[in-house]
Amino acid sequence: GAVVSQHPSWVICKSGTSVKIECRSLDFQATTMFWYRQFPKQSLMLMATSNEGSKATYEQGVEKDKFLINHASLTLSTLTVTSAHPEDSSFYICSASPPSGYSYEQYFGPGTRLTVT
Amino acid sequence: EDQVTQSPEALRLQEGESSSLNCSYTVSGLRGLFWYRQDPGKGPEFLFTLYSAGEEKEKERLKATLTKKESFLHITAPKPEDSATYLCAVQAPRSGTYKYIFGTGTRLKVLA
Repeated sequence: GAVVSQHPSWVICKSGTSVKIECRSLDFQATTMFWYRQFPKQSLMLMATSNEGSKATYEQGVEKDKFLINHASLTLSTLTVTSAHPEDSSFYICSASPPSGYSYEQYFGPGTRLTVT
Repeated sequence: EDQVTQSPEALRLQEGESSSLNCSYTVSGLRGLFWYRQDPGKGPEFLFTLYSAGEEKEKERLKATLTKKESFLHITAPKPEDSATYLCAVQAPRSGTYKYIFGTGTRLKVLA
């Protein structure tokens, strides 16, 4: 149980275009999902917390107009990188938590490698 | 300020050579401490959750322990397939909700 999927697993796009990444909880409902960014040999940097049916909470320094997050249902959250630039190239990982009271663990997706040329 | 520090940053072991990874934390109102394993190019894989000091959990060659200030991940007789980055995270309250704070990880290499 507790499987999280991401799509696509990798994507290459041209500078100035937008890219959408999907995160799905496959066998549980996730009221909260998290989006992380990870640079090579570094730890996970939390970008935003996504709550179903409400606006995402962004971490300090993360541009909410650039990284659009939509948590449309209890099993799907999307991250759209708008007007992507080479410096947005990174490994993006989502995670989901089962509803509070069940457990506190986060379960991570396999990640999406974004390369902006 | 809430903080998680992992040591060592990198560790090389011979197959069968047991060792421990450390995760020190400073957090107000700890709700849980988590250990994850991450292989290159993949998302973290959940290993353990520890909730209170004195708690221990085991899984195959791994054993996680928790005190009020730190957690240890003990690796007994490691094998090359245990090579990975091990991440520690704590869950802490924040503004009516909660957040996870990750350490920078320990890169473990087990040599055959």
